Amino acid sequence: QSALTQPASVSGSPGQSITISCTGTSSDVGVYNYVSWYQQRPGQAPKLMIYEVRNRPSGVPDRFSGSKSGNTASLTISGLRAEDEGDYYCNSYTSSSTVIFGGGTKLTVL
Amino acid sequence: EVQLLESGGGLVQPGGSLRLSCAASGFTFSRHAMSWVRLAPGKGLEWVSSISGSGGSRYYADSVKGRLTISRDNSKNTLYLQINTLRAEDTAVYYCAKEIGEDIVLMGLFDYWGQGTLVTVSS
Repeated sequence: QSALTQPASVSGSPGQSITISCTGTSSDVGVYNYVSWYQQRPGQAPKLMIYEVRNRPSGVPDRFSGSKSGNTASLTISGLRAEDEGDYYCNSYTSSSTVIFGGGTKLTVL
Repeated sequence: EVQLLESGGGLVQPGGSLRLSCAASGFTFSRHAMSWVRLAPGKGLEWVSSISGSGGSRYYADSVKGRLTISRDNSKNTLYLQINTLRAEDTAVYYCAKEIGEDIVLMGLFDYWGQGTLVTVSS
């Protein structure tokens, strides 16, 4: 099964908003709300930022929000800060009882 | 405080085997599904395998099926991954990750991750 499709890179200036898309199929993102987003900084473990499409774990700023429409999920970061830089991955549960990740998006804060 | 500590990585020759471990603490280990996710150099995260809290259900990515075995010992709060017939493409940092919900078989919602253990396959 191919990875979920994410843009390779996005960038924005401090204070701006950016959105990262995550496109799957009717066998994963389109049919399940088990979609989550992770931030990974170099040399560090991934960190859960959003789960079940739009829920934020405690400690994650409300600048981070998630949504889904059809086969595409999205992560929006508002009020960009330098500390938001890193790689972002989406994942989804699939109808084959597996988990699939996106290819990852490198966020650069200009 | 939830902690996940992987160990067992290292340099292995192609065709060799390795067993990775993940020691867990700070939560009721037996009530949470656990998973292994890897990050190969220059690539993205790849889900490898998951196991239910009881150990009765196991799931594998097609890319590793037949060569990997996931297991757990709830009496020791430890997760394992046995990797056989290692290939160059298995070179990666292997993370263990905890499923967010209790008594859930698998959803792929990972709220805690270990720091990872590096596996290098090379002659």
